Amino acid sequence: DTAVSQTPKYLVTQMGNDKSIKCEQNLGHDTMYWYKQDSKKFLKIMFSYNNKELIINETVPNRFSPKSPDKAHLNLHINSLELGDSAVYFCASSYTGTGVLGYGYTFGSGTRLTVV
Amino acid sequence: GDSVTQMEGPVTLSEEAFLTINCTYTATGYPSLFWYVQYPGEGLQLLLKATKADDKGSNKGFEATYRKETTSFHLEKGSVQVSDSAVYFCALSKGGGSNYKLTFGKGTLLTVNP
Repeated sequence: DTAVSQTPKYLVTQMGNDKSIKCEQNLGHDTMYWYKQDSKKFLKIMFSYNNKELIINETVPNRFSPKSPDKAHLNLHINSLELGDSAVYFCASSYTGTGVLGYGYTFGSGTRLTVV
Repeated sequence: GDSVTQMEGPVTLSEEAFLTINCTYTATGYPSLFWYVQYPGEGLQLLLKATKADDKGSNKGFEATYRKETTSFHLEKGSVQVSDSAVYFCALSKGGGSNYKLTFGKGTLLTVNP
């Protein structure tokens, strides 16, 4: 069973389009994240949700809108795609109860978004 | 704010060479420290971790020791293999509850040649 699964794995689309990436985890974790990895492999957090509540919202254009229908799912919708949005987007999940500082994340395999 | 600094890559080694990838951190309090590895075309996988000072994390022949006095968590392996070629990320976490997040370094690309 895949622990954190993202779909699609690859996404090629034209500028100005709207697209969504889906993420699901079956680990029973209570927090999910979206990270963006640029061409230099730098990872930057975008959002986190804890039990469907938005917790972390870094400086991200408001064209990006996360949605969490339940604690096992976190989707990312992107409006009016731009060339600079091309990157690999990773979903991750974690358990954030007290006393679990060393828990770490479990990552999905990533979605490579290419805007042409 | 919290930050992680890794040595710049890329690092290129021959098989069976000794590997060190330096990592230092800046954080208040007592963070947990991690090394993640990303193989080509894949997501990040947890390689090892340490949750308090002087702890040593180890896995697959890799080791790192949490040094609070030098705020470091350097990754080492005595004899690398071609299959170790990947990007390695040092990371820290601090605090708990719903604001829990990992802060990553910029990653170090390792290439091991046969």
